Amino acid sequence: DAGVIQSPRHEVTEMGQEVTLRCKPISGHNSLFWYRQTMMRGLELLIYFNNNVPIDDSGMPEDRFSAKMPNASFSTLKIQPSEPRDSAVYFCASSGQGNSNQPQHFGDGTRLSIL
Amino acid sequence: AQSVTQPDIHITVSEGASLELRCNYSYGATPYLFWYVQSPGQGLQLLLKYFSGDTLVQGIKGFEAEFKRSQSSFNLRKPSVHWSDAAEYFCAVGTNYQLIWGAGTKLIIKP
Repeated sequence: DAGVIQSPRHEVTEMGQEVTLRCKPISGHNSLFWYRQTMMRGLELLIYFNNNVPIDDSGMPEDRFSAKMPNASFSTLKIQPSEPRDSAVYFCASSGQGNSNQPQHFGDGTRLSIL
Repeated sequence: AQSVTQPDIHITVSEGASLELRCNYSYGATPYLFWYVQSPGQGLQLLLKYFSGDTLVQGIKGFEAEFKRSQSSFNLRKPSVHWSDAAEYFCAVGTNYQLIWGAGTKLIIKP
């Protein structure tokens, strides 16, 4: 079975540019999570979708960040304009239900470098 | 407030030696507990989980963890580590819909 698929795996771009990260969750999962991981702050939850609806976006750092889930099999995280402090690894995860007892399944992440 | 503490940032063990990684949590209700492993350049992979029942849970790759309610702990163990176990290990507690994560423990294996 295919796991969570993220693209691109690596992205290097100059500050001010728009960045779009993509995620395909596991088929049948109805919860999707976007995380950011840095050395300084560890793993941070950015936004949580349930049944394609954003439920909690309190972790989205600024208005420069936006996320969408137009259907059950696709989500995007966009940064516009990007800044060097956005450099991090961004993970997408999905789970079967939005319950605390359901494990989350992670993609391999997108390593983002903003120059 | 809910929290997860992994007191060891790094742990170094010799190949073939036993391993115990510590995890303490703070949560008001019965916790759902998880251990994940992250190899370099990879996402997080679920090792094992505890929901209820037997307090000793078995996971993949020969790992096990024991839930101790009296100590609010969920320590991860392996009787004999292999070089391929070198990675970062994260403990997490499930609350409502999200996971509260520990800061992680980096495991270094000495040959």
